[in-house]
Amino acid sequence: RKEVEQDPGPFNVPEGATVAFNCTYSNSASQSFFWYRQDCRKEPKLLMSVYSSGNEDGRFTAQLNRASQYISLLIRDSKLSDSATYLCVVNNDMRFGAGTRLTVKP
Amino acid sequence: GAGVSQSPRYKVAKRGQDVALRCDPISGHVSLFWYQQALGQGPEFLTYFQNEAQLDKSGLPSDRFFAERPEGSVSTLKIQRTQQEDSAVYLCASSLFGAGGNQPQHFGDGTRLSIL
Repeated sequence: RKEVEQDPGPFNVPEGATVAFNCTYSNSASQSFFWYRQDCRKEPKLLMSVYSSGNEDGRFTAQLNRASQYISLLIRDSKLSDSATYLCVVNNDMRFGAGTRLTVKP
Repeated sequence: GAGVSQSPRYKVAKRGQDVALRCDPISGHVSLFWYQQALGQGPEFLTYFQNEAQLDKSGLPSDRFFAERPEGSVSTLKIQRTQQEDSAVYLCASSLFGAGGNQPQHFGDGTRLSIL
């Protein structure tokens, strides 16, 4: 089993939809987690950290479930510009998930 | 510069040649990471430096891959006797403190390596 796993998608959603991705991790001692966004042929860019109590940044909400060892990313009111691949990373292990591809359609 | 700088942006080499990829991290960043990213895949961890010490090289796929960071700043990833399966984007990232902390990684633009 890979250390970090994501549903590769693709997720195809209409504008304005709410979409959520999960990312499971195998190392129960993991302490820090991040979500990155990667556009086609570009480098990953930090989207948001994931805090134990959950955190929100505008339309984006990140949550951590330690008991089940997964993190989630929720995007509300999705925009065309949200189309990208979303990568989770478990910082302790320096391992990224394979990414979930999101396409938001008009 | 303000960000992580990688060079060259593109590299084409013939199978069997040696290549060297350079990464200039954000000034003052302790940690430096190398990743390999194949098309449609997430970044695969190669190696990690804390200052000049290479603390983890478990992701290097073979002994043809070698990385160094002799002065704790600029790093070079060298691939000897390149093979076609080495074709990928090589990403470098740096972070302020050691791996496992709450500081995120900042990525360079990557080097796109094509082996003919």
